[in-house]
Formats: sequence, structure tokens, C-alpha cells
Amino acid sequence: GAGVSQSPRYKVAKRGQDVALRCDPISGHVSLFWYQQALGQGPEFLTYFQNEAQLDKSGLPSDRFFAERPEGSVSTLKIQRTQQEDSAVYLCASSSGTGTGSPLHFGNGTRLTVT
Amino acid sequence: AQTVTQSQPEMSVQEAETVTLSCTYDTSESDYYLFWYKQPPSRQMILVIRQEAYKQQNATENRFSVNFQKAAKSFSLKISDSQLGDAAMYFCAYLNLRLTFGEGTQLTVNP
Repeated sequence: GAGVSQSPRYKVAKRGQDVALRCDPISGHVSLFWYQQALGQGPEFLTYFQNEAQLDKSGLPSDRFFAERPEGSVSTLKIQRTQQEDSAVYLCASSSGTGTGSPLHFGNGTRLTVT
Repeated sequence: AQTVTQSQPEMSVQEAETVTLSCTYDTSESDYYLFWYKQPPSRQMILVIRQEAYKQQNATENRFSVNFQKAAKSFSLKISDSQLGDAAMYFCAYLNLRLTFGEGTQLTVNP
């Protein structure tokens, strides 16, 4: 596709449920990032992939959060046993470079609401 | 750790006027990149302008320009001839391996 695609666009989960958020990066982009954006705040880094390798997961807030990119293209962010504090917009971004200053291209995000 | 600070939570400007959004950052690195992103209600982050730290010349992109002061670690965005479509949340961001964002400035453009 022409841009980064995320699905679903909206997700409502009951507390304790597991959710899976999908990101389709721009074709050929090596780097993929996940960010969490709380209401009225700037995005916070969660994790970074270079191809299929997860090089940095220091931003994941707890062991309930898990991300994968098994074939170096599509990525899934999974949140287990969701809590209300997990409610946020989850943004995915991809880049053709590897820390070389190539701009990140963002998707429209998934708004997760945990009730 | 790198930090990015935007001290103006909200700004407003009259259509066709000029507005400047402030940003400061803290880093011990000498080689990095700085960006301004725009986020309209659609939530998509749109790249506005990019600056390489090793370049002294300020980046310009049509009506958007920056004032990059490396020693002061300041990176402000100037929007000239403001248009209604410029209304959005603006984020300053620092890149050195990972992208770190500021808190954002909500820009309102008044007709």
C-alpha cells in the first residue's frame, strides 16, 4: 500500500481481555516502531524492529505487552489482560532507514478503550 | 536519556499571520535529527519539516521554517501566512536511533 496501515481503527475491550493490534508498514521499510499516545500527550516509544529482529523493547510498560514481526513486514502488538490504563492510541510507524535520520511514516493508529 | 520540551500547550494565530512554536531538547549526542510533526484530528502524524544537527542552515519547507540553535538546544517552528488547514497538534521530535516526542502544542487558526 501507499502508506502505513493499522487495524482495527477502534477497539473496545473489557478489562482482562486480550487484544491484538496490527500494523502493515510501507512495503520494503526495514524499521518499524510502536508508540503509545495517551489523550492530550505526545507519543511514547514502546518498541522497535529492524526487519524481524526486535532490537529495542525498553518502552513496553509491562510483561503484558508483547510485539512481533515474524517475517519482517507485518507487525502485531498484543496486550494481555488489558487494564484501564492501557487505554490510548497505539501508533505504528515505519522507516526505510535504520537510525539514519530517515523520517518515520505513521499510520492512523488504533484507539484502544478498556472498559 | 533524551528529553524534548514544548512549553506552549496551546497557541492561536489569525489567518494569514505568522506564529512561532517553541521546542527545546536535551541530549549529550552531537549527531541527531530533529523533526516537527503535525497531528490533525484524524490522528495521523504528518511530517512538516526535518533538520539534521550537523547542518547549520535552517530548514525551510514552503511556509514552514525552523530556527535551529544547536548550542542552546532549541528548535522552533515558524509558520508564515497561516491557513485554516494548519490547525492541529504540533509535535517536536528528536531522533537518535529512536524518535522522542515533546508534549505537543495545540495550534488554533482563527479566521
